[in-house]
Amino acid sequence: EAGVVQSPRYKIIEKKQPVAFWCNPISGHNTLYWYLQNLGQGPELLIRYENEEAVDDSQLPKDRFSAERLKGVDSTLKIQPAELGDSAVYLCASSHRTGIYNEQFFGPGTRLTVL
Amino acid sequence: ILNVEQSPQSLHVQEGDSTNFTCSFPSSNFYALHWYRWETAKSPEALFVMTLNGDEKKKGRISATLNTKEGYSYLYIKGSQPEDSATYLCAPLRRALTFGSGTRLQVQP
Repeated sequence: EAGVVQSPRYKIIEKKQPVAFWCNPISGHNTLYWYLQNLGQGPELLIRYENEEAVDDSQLPKDRFSAERLKGVDSTLKIQPAELGDSAVYLCASSHRTGIYNEQFFGPGTRLTVL
Repeated sequence: ILNVEQSPQSLHVQEGDSTNFTCSFPSSNFYALHWYRWETAKSPEALFVMTLNGDEKKKGRISATLNTKEGYSYLYIKGSQPEDSATYLCAPLRRALTFGSGTRLQVQP
């Protein structure tokens, strides 16, 4: 079974440029998560989808960040415009459903560097 | 904001040493605790999901205990091997998983 796929793995851009990250979750997983991981810290949830619906986006900075999960499968996270402080690892995860026993399966992440 | 603390921040041990880390979290409104292992350049990998006070889980040389009343969990590694080198993250679950900063383990051959 293929795991969570993310692309690109690395991205270097100049500030004020737009950037997009793509995630393909494990087949059959209804729940998809985007996390932000700053150096030396744990991942922080940005947004959670149940199928195509964003059910928790309270931590997503909506002035510059946007996300979509059309058809409830793949998802894209966009930053426009990027700022220096956005340099971080962006992780995507999926789970079969939400619930206390449902472990999340993570992709390898996209490491973003904003110059 | 849920305050999750992990200690130590980093640990260097020799191959064969046994080691343990601590995860502390607020004990109120507790649902579950997840432990993850994250090797450099790889995906975080789930180790355990624990829910009951006094729960103990084991996977090979790695085990974990949970105390929900006082709000802590211990992760133990018996006879550390170089392949155990990784960052170990804990994450209590309320509305969502809240990750600690992790314990970075380096096992020297």
